[in-house]
Amino acid sequence: QKEVEQDPGPLSVPEGAIVSLNCTYSNSAFQYFMWYRQYSRKGPELLMYTYSSGNKEDGRFTAQVDKSSKYISLFIRDSQPSDSATYLCASYLWGSNYKLTFGKGTLLTVNP
Amino acid sequence: SQTIHQWPATLVQPVGSPLSLECTVEGTSNPNLYWYRQAAGRGLQLLFYSVGIGQISSEVPQNLSASRPQDRQFILSSKKLLLSDSGFYLCAWSDPFGITEAFFGQGTRLTVV
Repeated sequence: QKEVEQDPGPLSVPEGAIVSLNCTYSNSAFQYFMWYRQYSRKGPELLMYTYSSGNKEDGRFTAQVDKSSKYISLFIRDSQPSDSATYLCASYLWGSNYKLTFGKGTLLTVNP
Repeated sequence: SQTIHQWPATLVQPVGSPLSLECTVEGTSNPNLYWYRQAAGRGLQLLFYSVGIGQISSEVPQNLSASRPQDRQFILSSKKLLLSDSGFYLCAWSDPFGITEAFFGQGTRLTVV
């Protein structure tokens, strides 16, 4: 079983839709959870990170972690064509020299 | 501010040829440095990480090696490339003293022909 599982999609939505991106993880020791956005042919950039369970909101983006079910979610409200990218979830174990474990990424296309 | 430079952006190399990819970081000291490979449909795979000069940890047995000759310089090498070495190679750094993000370079797309 992969440590972080992510549906690769692709996911195609109309502009303005609410997007839900999800991951599951298997290692219950993971403490930090991140979402990265990667545009085509570019390096990933961090969108948000959360510690342990709970929600974190930043503008149109909300990250949610449920440690009891080992489930990570990213919600995008009022999606825009500029949100079209690959979204990667990642988990991190404190003290592991910041060795991130990534999901495979979900390709999102927001159609105008 | 911190910046990370990675080059070249694109590289086409024949099978059996050597490889050297370089990454440098500016604006920070003693960063953790990482090399990842991203293959289609396989996500980001950590290849090497380094917590200091000359300190290299390998995550995956392969045809590649890494070196850190200076605090903010990280080099990925191969003596003889294989077709399976093709992929998108990403260098990244992080601050070792706190919970901060990993900053990625723009990547090198390597095609071995």
